[in-house]
Amino acid sequence: SAVISQKPSRDICQRGTSLTIQCQVDSQVTMMFWYRQQPGQSLTLIATANQGSEATYESGFVIDKFPISRPNLTFSTLTVSNMSPEDSSIYLCSALPGANEKLFFGSGTQLSVL
Amino acid sequence: SQQGEEDPQALSIQEGENATMNCSYKTSINNLQWYRQNSGRGLVHLILIRSNEREKHSGRLRVTLDTSKKSSSLLITASRAADTASYFCATDASGYSTLTFGKGTMLLVSP
Repeated sequence: SAVISQKPSRDICQRGTSLTIQCQVDSQVTMMFWYRQQPGQSLTLIATANQGSEATYESGFVIDKFPISRPNLTFSTLTVSNMSPEDSSIYLCSALPGANEKLFFGSGTQLSVL
Repeated sequence: SQQGEEDPQALSIQEGENATMNCSYKTSINNLQWYRQNSGRGLVHLILIRSNEREKHSGRLRVTLDTSKKSSSLLITASRAADTASYFCATDASGYSTLTFGKGTMLLVSP
């Protein structure tokens, strides 16, 4: 299993600014994932972040807008850059520990962009 | 898109009743998983069923999978107010745990 600490839990930001979300796992994990959940909607995968390699982005998401770092096996950050109101969502990090096939999730970051 | 579709979108029942949620998907999968989300926060894994399994139980949860119909159902028996949450199915088609989530069913259990 894994316990994931995600912060901040919520933030209100101004248009044009950037926010970095941090995700700390209590054990070493190979794969981490970042999801976005727009209000009342399902989760959409933004990117897969593996330590030691560039993040793999899903269709519709680009590195310039959502740069991701994965400096070690327990930590990752997602930056939402040059924010607009359309970026208002819950952002969730998740991790896949060991030989698990099930994901463990952080508690999410609720982002509102004014 | 591989995205699953749950139905119903919302379900309201009384404590003690059973709740059934359905999920349909579009392409072949390695496994299908169900997650619960309370109040728009982090998701919690409930149960995983592999493509070669037809039924699985975990406590008050029963999951079925019909790969010929590309559908799954989640049954929660003897529901409790604490079961109030959104429930999502997620499919793993790649085998690398890159999950695709359905739209979810919002379950309300009234005391």
